[in-house]
Amino acid sequence: QSALTQPRSVSGSPGQSVTISCTGTSSDVGAYNYVSWYQQHPGKAPKLMIYDVSKRPSGVPDRFSGSKSGNTASLTISGLQAEDEADYYCCSYAGSYVVFGGGTKLTVL
Amino acid sequence: EVQLVESGGGLVQPGGSLRLSCAASGFTFSSYWMHWVRQAPGKGLVWVSRINSDGRSTIYADSVKGRFTISRDNAKNTLYLQMNSLRAEDTAVYYCAGGGGGSYFYYWGQGTLVTVSS
Repeated sequence: QSALTQPRSVSGSPGQSVTISCTGTSSDVGAYNYVSWYQQHPGKAPKLMIYDVSKRPSGVPDRFSGSKSGNTASLTISGLQAEDEADYYCCSYAGSYVVFGGGTKLTVL
Repeated sequence: EVQLVESGGGLVQPGGSLRLSCAASGFTFSSYWMHWVRQAPGKGLVWVSRINSDGRSTIYADSVKGRFTISRDNAKNTLYLQMNSLRAEDTAVYYCAGGGGGSYFYYWGQGTLVTVSS
């Protein structure tokens, strides 16, 4: 049950695009199309942004997109806005249990 | 409106016990698998445990296996986490979450803080 690997931080200017990677193994990310992404603002509960690799829940802007290749999943945020500044966590199903990434702090410059 | 409201957190001494509750409303609680996820101060999210919709199947992270017990009462729309033999490293905000089966978390509570300290 090892955590997925995410960069500690990424940054971008308003209007730009950023991509956050999430690397797992052939037992989690690589084995299932069950990767999800969560946004968390300070002091708040996480919010689901992407599920099943690339599906967006109702109400999540289409600026947020997800993808996966092999053991690595990615979250891309296009047209960065100030309110996107937050921590982002990936998560993968791993056969009965679930594993999160360590989190990535997104700074909007 | 979907609501998950956790309660039961607080300060407990090492080796002590605590029972968390999560009251659900606004969705068909009995149809969904539910989870507990925790977050130590300043740290990332960590999955703790999962229970299926009828309560007959449970699974735990290795770090809490044998010490924590997840359960649910579908008649009361409530999820529980019984935590025994608590350690300092169990100090965290505990979130109940669900709505996505076994693989993702659509609904989240606001969290309840558990502090294990002497």
